[in-house]
Amino acid sequence: EAGVTQFPSHSVIEKGQTVTLRCDPISGHDNLYWYRRVMGKEIKFLLHFVKESKQDESGMPNNRFLAERTGGTYSTLKVQPAELEDSGVYFCASSPGTSGGREQFFGPGTRLTVL
Amino acid sequence: QKEVEQNSGPLSVPEGAIASLNCTYSDRGSQSFFWYRQYSGKSPELIMSIYSNGDKEDGRFTAQLNKASQYVSLLIRDSQPSDSATYLCAVNTGGFKTIFGAGTRLFVKA
Repeated sequence: EAGVTQFPSHSVIEKGQTVTLRCDPISGHDNLYWYRRVMGKEIKFLLHFVKESKQDESGMPNNRFLAERTGGTYSTLKVQPAELEDSGVYFCASSPGTSGGREQFFGPGTRLTVL
Repeated sequence: QKEVEQNSGPLSVPEGAIASLNCTYSDRGSQSFFWYRQYSGKSPELIMSIYSNGDKEDGRFTAQLNKASQYVSLLIRDSQPSDSATYLCAVNTGGFKTIFGAGTRLFVKA
């Protein structure tokens, strides 16, 4: 069974540019989560989808971040315009519909560097 | 006060020893507790989950939960150099939002 995949693995952009990160959850997992780890800090929750619906986006830092999950399959996280403080590793995770948020499976992450 | 607190370490133990990793959390309503292992540059990997007070053992790993003290720990017996990683404590308060600690770096010396 394929795990959670993320693309790209690395992205280097300049301040003010736009970047879109993609996450493909484990097939059949209704729950999809985005997290971010800024260097030296803990992994921070950004938001949670159940299928195509946003259940909790309380961790989204500001309106420069937009997450979508059209059709309830893969998800994208767009940062527009990117700022220096957006640099970090963005992780996606998924869990089955019945797990109630337990036991999330993480993707390899996308390392974003904003110059 | 951080929601989930861990000693950042590094914690250094000799090969074959017991490594003890500790975590405290602030939300008394927390229901699910997890330990993830993260190797440098890799994604977090779930190694233990615990939901009720007491001990839960899985191979060389034992998770301990004390909800009254808001404390969860991970014991690694017979530590191996391959156990060297950052161990993340994570807490779920009943919804879908999981709160992570900053992690404890563990070094197992051969």
